[in-house]
Amino acid sequence: DTAVSQTPKYLVTQMGNDKSIKCEQNLGHDTMYWYKQDSKKFLKIMFSYNNKELIINETVPNRFSPKSPDKAHLNLHINSLELGDSAVYFCASSLPGQGINEQFFGPGTRLTVL
Amino acid sequence: AQSVSQHNHHVILSEAASLELGCNYSYGGTVNLFWYVQYPGQHLQLLLKYFSGDPLVKGIKGFEAEFIKSKFSFNLRKPSVQWSDTAEYFCAVNSGGGADGLTFGKGTHLIIQP
Repeated sequence: DTAVSQTPKYLVTQMGNDKSIKCEQNLGHDTMYWYKQDSKKFLKIMFSYNNKELIINETVPNRFSPKSPDKAHLNLHINSLELGDSAVYFCASSLPGQGINEQFFGPGTRLTVL
Repeated sequence: AQSVSQHNHHVILSEAASLELGCNYSYGGTVNLFWYVQYPGQHLQLLLKYFSGDPLVKGIKGFEAEFIKSKFSFNLRKPSVQWSDTAEYFCAVNSGGGADGLTFGKGTHLIIQP
């Protein structure tokens, strides 16, 4: 009964490939997010998405695209992978409202680009 | 734009010492404030949160934090640390509404020596 799950946990791939990371939440939340944690442990928001709006961090290259087949899933697709994309990617979800937007995080996907 | 500063990037303490980790944020409106902990190789766990009411909030594992609006601060404290508190600690803020992602500080790496 994991709240926010991600697959795969580890992903090793070559430069130039296209890959996807999947995220699912069973909390009934309506907003989901992707964060990137770099090698210095710094966490940065990439996208937030609900059924009404997609908010994109302007620093995110357009090779990254979120895809949401339904409210419980927000997948991250990455085209033409580069060495600098190596990081840990965390999915999160929340149910904004009632004054607080608390986010629940998945276990992370460690992406290594060779 | 929001920003979060964590002043201590690396902290080394002995067991039973008291802990205070500084966090200052920059945002003019209503904020939600959070402290997350990341144990080695694991995902982010929420320690505590503040969005309104009593500015002294208590979290899990004996942690507490005090919101001081005039100082834009949300410092994390624990009276007596344990070896198991060794982890990365992140302060984060969002505006609480809509699909706002979290803005994180750069983290504090805490090492507790037995």
